[in-house]
Amino acid sequence: GAGVSQSPRYKVAKRGQDVALRCDPISGHVSLFWYQQALGQGPEFLTYFQNEAQLDKSGLPSDRFFAERPEGSVSTLKIQRTQQEDSAVYLCASSSGTGVFGTEAFFGQGTRLTVV
Amino acid sequence: GESVGLHLPTLSVQEGDNSIINCAYSNSASDYFIWYKQESGKGPQFIIDIRSNMDKRQGQRVTVLLNKTVKHLSLQIAATQPGDSAVYFCAEKEENSGYSTLTFGKGTMLLVSP
Repeated sequence: GAGVSQSPRYKVAKRGQDVALRCDPISGHVSLFWYQQALGQGPEFLTYFQNEAQLDKSGLPSDRFFAERPEGSVSTLKIQRTQQEDSAVYLCASSSGTGVFGTEAFFGQGTRLTVV
Repeated sequence: GESVGLHLPTLSVQEGDNSIINCAYSNSASDYFIWYKQESGKGPQFIIDIRSNMDKRQGQRVTVLLNKTVKHLSLQIAATQPGDSAVYFCAEKEENSGYSTLTFGKGTMLLVSP
């Protein structure tokens, strides 16, 4: 595809439900990042993959959050037993290099998760 | 689309005015900064970047100024247009072992009236 694609665009979950958010990065991009953006805030780093290896998961807020990229392309962010504080936009970015900077990195449109 | 800018600092300007958006960063060791534009319902879009060995960089209608002494960045937009209305974030690079990530500021909403 032409850019980073995320699905679904919108997700409403009942508290306690598990959700899975998908990111299709630009083909061939080595790096994949997940960010969480609460309403009225800047994006906050969650986790980083270099190919299929998850090199950094320091931003994941709790053990209810899990991310994978098993074949080094598509990534899934899973949230178990969702809580209201998980409501946010989840952004995925991919990069041809090993950093999210410059014109080599692109963000998807995000998935807006609302937990009710 | 949905607003990403509730409760953000807001700058309101008239079309044709010049806009200046400011940002303070925290890490004096940061050596690379980016300004992003985020329109409602979209992901952040790269505008312009600057390395710490520079104090000014110009793009098309945009200029970024870096003052390392006071850890301050600004984004200047010339002849602001309604299409410039969006939330603007500055971000600083965080170095790790073998990769880098970005730390974003809180953002400023720019509203341009025709």
